[in-house]
Amino acid sequence: DAMVIQNPRYQVTQFGKPVTLSCSQTLNHNVMYWYQQKSSQAPKLLFHYYDKDFNNEADTPDNFQSRRPNTSFCFLDIRSPGLGDAAMYLCATRPTPLSYNEQFFGPGTRLTVL
Amino acid sequence: GQNIDQPTEMTATEGAIVQINCTYQTSGFNGLFWYQQHAAEAPTFLSYNVLDGLEEKGRFSSFLSRSKGYSYLLLKELQMKDSASYLCASLDSNYQLIWGAGTKLIIKP
Repeated sequence: DAMVIQNPRYQVTQFGKPVTLSCSQTLNHNVMYWYQQKSSQAPKLLFHYYDKDFNNEADTPDNFQSRRPNTSFCFLDIRSPGLGDAAMYLCATRPTPLSYNEQFFGPGTRLTVL
Repeated sequence: GQNIDQPTEMTATEGAIVQINCTYQTSGFNGLFWYQQHAAEAPTFLSYNVLDGLEEKGRFSSFLSRSKGYSYLLLKELQMKDSASYLCASLDSNYQLIWGAGTKLIIKP
């Protein structure tokens, strides 16, 4: 089945220790998104790719970086995690940027910062 | 500014009907999505409305009024597995989703 996969599902890191979260998709979708979601809050868009074009949200901290080496894979790097970065990180895809299609979500990675 | 408002929490009884409201103000509008999110899981797509009116899909229906900036999700014959958060999201003029914080629905036996 075509899907969005995130690894790992649970990640524990130490304060200040770099961490990388990964996302892959078999849907061949052009657009990929990274969201941060804290408990009982709306998903917050961090950045998104239209194919290889990277789009950073204005309020995304510099501590967060992303890479998309090919259509299928996308990575979220947190260079120096702080306690406030503990959250669920959701990867999502959409077929094309200017469309009415829904976003397809991966299962998420729950990040704990000690 | 862009804003999505929905109630924080609602409680309903198994077998009953519940309506979850959402009001939106976004720069441009290309439709309204509803997603279901169980605790510690990813959101899953429920419905999309871009024209005024009611869209029915099994036990779930979604309504949109563009002139009022208003939508609701109607859940019938509630089951315990419907306990989840329901997120309303508006697709703005840049085709980006503007999300509400979600309504936590608690189903009681």
